[in-house]
Amino acid sequence: DTEVTQTPKHLVMGMTNKKSLKCEQHMGHRAMYWYKQKAKKPPELMFVYSYEKLSINESVPSRFSPECPNSSLLNLHLHALQPEDSALYLCASSQPGQVFSTNEKLFFGSGTQLSVL
Amino acid sequence: AQSVTQLDSQVPVFEEAPVELRCNYSSSVSVYLFWYVQYPNQGLQLLLKYLSGSTLVKGINGFEAEFNKSQTSFHLRKPSVHISDTAEYFCAVSVRSQGAQKLVFGQGTRLTINP
Repeated sequence: DTEVTQTPKHLVMGMTNKKSLKCEQHMGHRAMYWYKQKAKKPPELMFVYSYEKLSINESVPSRFSPECPNSSLLNLHLHALQPEDSALYLCASSQPGQVFSTNEKLFFGSGTQLSVL
Repeated sequence: AQSVTQLDSQVPVFEEAPVELRCNYSSSVSVYLFWYVQYPNQGLQLLLKYLSGSTLVKGINGFEAEFNKSQTSFHLRKPSVHISDTAEYFCAVSVRSQGAQKLVFGQGTRLTINP
């Protein structure tokens, strides 16, 4: 199994809603990532978890709250989002630290397309 | 700061023609470079990466890239493209942040293959 599974694939929410994005992998990877990709733009890193601990937070607003309950699962909790938060949210996983030293690579999910009304 | 610049936002090519997608990097230290492809409504997939060693890197789907330190470039090439190569291509560089490595992507190049 070399897949990163993201649910839901599409999400529409109002600015007062609370919703969660889910990401799951069963490759034994111990690093998991959230990226945000606006239309026609490159992905931008939001958070990195390494061994279930938050290792990078790219100064993301607190209305985005990540959670890594176990080594296979990564959630992104959303609350009081703004319309400008509408984007494709991508999850990725890898073995920690090895993307830059070995033939290991990041595996990306297909993303959740989020629309905030 | 380390960054990459993709010189072309769009590249149209006829099927079976060769293609080169250009990427230049800025870095004062050792650099790790990557090319990713994103098909419509998909996540990103690694094509190839340069960590060290041979400057010619071969990747999946017949793509290759050459690391050129003197020109600070890492251009992606394919000798003969197929309709299925139509996608967005991102060059990326590793950057150290908060004690860990992360990827920073270029703006992307839209490759369109015409029959």
